[in-house]
Amino acid sequence: AQTVTQSQPEMSVQEAETVTLSCTYDTSESNYYLFWYKQPPSRQMILVIRQEAYKQQNATENRFSVNFQKAAKSFSLKISDSQLGDTAMYFCAFSGPLVFGKGTRLSVIA
Amino acid sequence: KAGVTQTPRYLIKTRGQQVTLSCSPISGHRSVSWYQQTPGQGLQFLFEYFSETQRNKGNFPGRFSGRQFSNSRSEMNVSTLELGDSALYLCASSRPGTSGPNEQFFGPGTRLTVL
Repeated sequence: AQTVTQSQPEMSVQEAETVTLSCTYDTSESNYYLFWYKQPPSRQMILVIRQEAYKQQNATENRFSVNFQKAAKSFSLKISDSQLGDTAMYFCAFSGPLVFGKGTRLSVIA
Repeated sequence: KAGVTQTPRYLIKTRGQQVTLSCSPISGHRSVSWYQQTPGQGLQFLFEYFSETQRNKGNFPGRFSGRQFSNSRSEMNVSTLELGDSALYLCASSRPGTSGPNEQFFGPGTRLTVL
């Protein structure tokens, strides 16, 4: 069974700074997908970024990028130029049916 | 395009009752998945339906069941409610393609409180 571990329950960052959220996973599969989802106080889950395991190039979506280390089974999320609207719970997830980590609560401070 | 809708948004029930939650996927999406979110257990997969057939099932007791209709709308039912069933129930839809898992679009959730 796949497991996903997020070791940082809470983090905070100053507005405009950069923050990195950690995620490790365990699987015996060789081809899979990884996701980062954002859940703001409204509770609406929103996909931030996805990574296909067979692609060596790290995914990037505007201010969001990942550092995917397949051998280490690590999948961290970097948020650049943090904005107040980035305040949310961030969940790392393994491909469907989605297996989620426990989440990291990120607070962006003005 | 309208997003995933879930009804009702909030629900209060008592132990022993049963409850039915509804999910309408995005138009054109044929796959619907359900997740339970609690502070203690986090987000856990309940089941997935595709073309009216249950394709995957999580590790939940038989009190949790679901179904999907021909228009892709889905319902989940929880019978004999327990206090521990209090949770946010999230529905997600996707349009399965030919290359790996597609993005799942989530609804706003149904907050169930069992007293």
